[in-house]
Amino acid sequence: DIVMTQSPDSLAVSLGERATINCQSSQSVLNRSNNKNYLNWYQQKAGQPPKLLIYWASTRYSGVPDRFSGSGSGTDFTLTISSLQAEDVAVYYCQQYYSRPSFGPGTKVEIK
Amino acid sequence: QLQLQESGPRLVQPSETLSLTCTVSGGSISSNDCYWAWIRQPPGKGLEWLGSIYYSGSTYYKMSLKSRITISIDTSKSQFSLKLNSVTAADTAVYYCARLDEAPGAFDIWGQGTMVTVSS
Repeated sequence: DIVMTQSPDSLAVSLGERATINCQSSQSVLNRSNNKNYLNWYQQKAGQPPKLLIYWASTRYSGVPDRFSGSGSGTDFTLTISSLQAEDVAVYYCQQYYSRPSFGPGTKVEIK
Repeated sequence: QLQLQESGPRLVQPSETLSLTCTVSGGSISSNDCYWAWIRQPPGKGLEWLGSIYYSGSTYYKMSLKSRITISIDTSKSQFSLKLNSVTAADTAVYYCARLDEAPGAFDIWGQGTMVTVSS
């Protein structure tokens, strides 16, 4: 099984400032046949199901604001919120699909 | 638009079988470009994928649960189901059903989730 880790566990960011979340996989999730990283990001607000933000490591899902961006390849990935808004308070999860799906432990984002 | 809704008992006795159903509406459960999945989240904890099923009935499961889990599908009713046997308190969680878009391997549509408690 591929184990996903995230850092930090939580972070507090001022409104309008940048938030950066890191995700690492225990083995590469890059499919060399199509050069796609099978790494997705989700946002989960309190009391709600998760919502897909980013797939293939860097492609924004339909309707996701462009302040959210993803980057990275292989085993190291980053989710960036360029200008934190109040509605971005949530827990963020990464997830791989290179093999049987697995999620990272989550990163809680709060307002400073 | 496509919607998923979980249903089933909220309380299950230890050692018994947890059974949930997910009803798909607003779209076809027989799509050939997606799987259907069960994911759970213990209170205050992270997400755990349990298993997935294709409309043809092909399944794959989390390896650590393989001896206890069965996922099935009834395309005539637009439903897929989860059975988890020999449950313990550790199986207490919010259970979500979700659509797995096969191309990116992303869970793009989720049900609202249902809280299942294992307790006597």
